[in-house]
Amino acid sequence: GAVVSQHPSRVICKSGTSVKIECRSLDFQATTMFWYRQFPKKSLMLMATSNEGSKATYEQGVEKDKFLINHASLTLSTLTVTSAHPEDSSFYICSASPRDNTSPLHFGNGTRLTVT
Amino acid sequence: DAKTTQPPSMDCAEGRAANLPCNHSTISGNEYVYWYRQIHSQGPQYIIHGLKNNETNEMASLIITEDRKSSTLILPPATLRDTAVYYCIVRVSRGRGAQNLVFGQGTRLTINP
Repeated sequence: GAVVSQHPSRVICKSGTSVKIECRSLDFQATTMFWYRQFPKKSLMLMATSNEGSKATYEQGVEKDKFLINHASLTLSTLTVTSAHPEDSSFYICSASPRDNTSPLHFGNGTRLTVT
Repeated sequence: DAKTTQPPSMDCAEGRAANLPCNHSTISGNEYVYWYRQIHSQGPQYIIHGLKNNETNEMASLIITEDRKSSTLILPPATLRDTAVYYCIVRVSRGRGAQNLVFGQGTRLTINP
């Protein structure tokens, strides 16, 4: 089945630094990937839609200069949390779909970001 | 906003079938019902999806009512490893291309020994 790999699984960084999270589709091409954020005991919230070769589409309230998304190839999207602050600490999850509107989205295993 | 309603929590005994209900009374004719589950500190795992007919795979069965306003996910029989948050999702249309999933609060299923 379709596999989505996310790296790193955990990262601890200091306030003011930037952190890059990678999301790869291992056995299929994904023109679109999605980035979600999840706080403890809460549901997933969509942050942005990553489109290969074009600018990402951000959800309302998500700062595009804070959360930089790059989707340079059909198998890789990256999310960079810039100038991280403790309130950016969260669980970040990416997902991708093999192709069409009915194929299931498959998710990475998430990245636990802790900003100290 | 999510277009589904689920009970916040359920308990089930190990070895018994777990039946998880979901209401989606405003579902459109071309929208699918998807089920995912999330085990603590992991990404959501795809379980099953369907449009009109009942579906079964190696993980679960999906029963969709004839009017499509509700569905039930059946895990037969439930094991301790099935303890997770289960999300019922109606896939929202956003135009061409892959569509994101809008997550509700899900049902926290606890399988008891």
